[in-house]
Amino acid sequence: SQQGEEDPQALSIQEGENATMNCSYKTSINNLQWYRQNSGRGLVHLILIRSNEREKHSGRLRVTLDTSKKSSSLLITASRAADTASYFCATVAVGGGADGLTFGKGTHLIIQP
Amino acid sequence: DTGVSQDPRHKITKRGQNVTFRCDPISEHNRLYWYRQTLGQGPEFLTYFQNEAQLEKSRLLSDRFSAERPKGSFSTLEIQRTEQGDSAMYLCASRRTTSGADTQYFGPGTRLTVL
Repeated sequence: SQQGEEDPQALSIQEGENATMNCSYKTSINNLQWYRQNSGRGLVHLILIRSNEREKHSGRLRVTLDTSKKSSSLLITASRAADTASYFCATVAVGGGADGLTFGKGTHLIIQP
Repeated sequence: DTGVSQDPRHKITKRGQNVTFRCDPISEHNRLYWYRQTLGQGPEFLTYFQNEAQLEKSRLLSDRFSAERPKGSFSTLEIQRTEQGDSAMYLCASRRTTSGADTQYFGPGTRLTVL
């Protein structure tokens, strides 16, 4: 079953604008990861944020994590056409030896030129 | 290319046939994962190996599914008596378990179509 929920499910913006996607999850986590997937392709890892971190940056990406609200956000600044893709958050639950990632349904981002 | 590789990239089969997929992880990655992704959904975890040991299996892994990693390197995922509901993208990922190395790196996937 999917633990996370991304919001919105779809987002269309103009090139150069910023895109913000949100993710909510249900259980306690060690870390939260964001992945990108171009249509019909594999997943590309974007950024990992640990449960003791609140914000992390990587290039044009900014991720925040609020463990009290069990939510995260991904901000892509100065969007480009090449950013068009689906974006997924993924978590691993704490304990029990579990190590499989639980993904949300994703946000489909379209950057219009 | 030193990334995760999967073979074949596409497989079309008839209902009731058996299929086998292969995954080659990144060299020296001791953990290997299998996921399934249907259209419009996020990937769903199936199983993972640490070296040759299968440590976790999800409820999605019915008895028609079997995965192996006999030498702790490449892995195979076999689906017996395929059903139309098995049509999906099957993704493989790998990672090391050294401290701080939590990122799973994904392969390009094998797209299965069951007719």
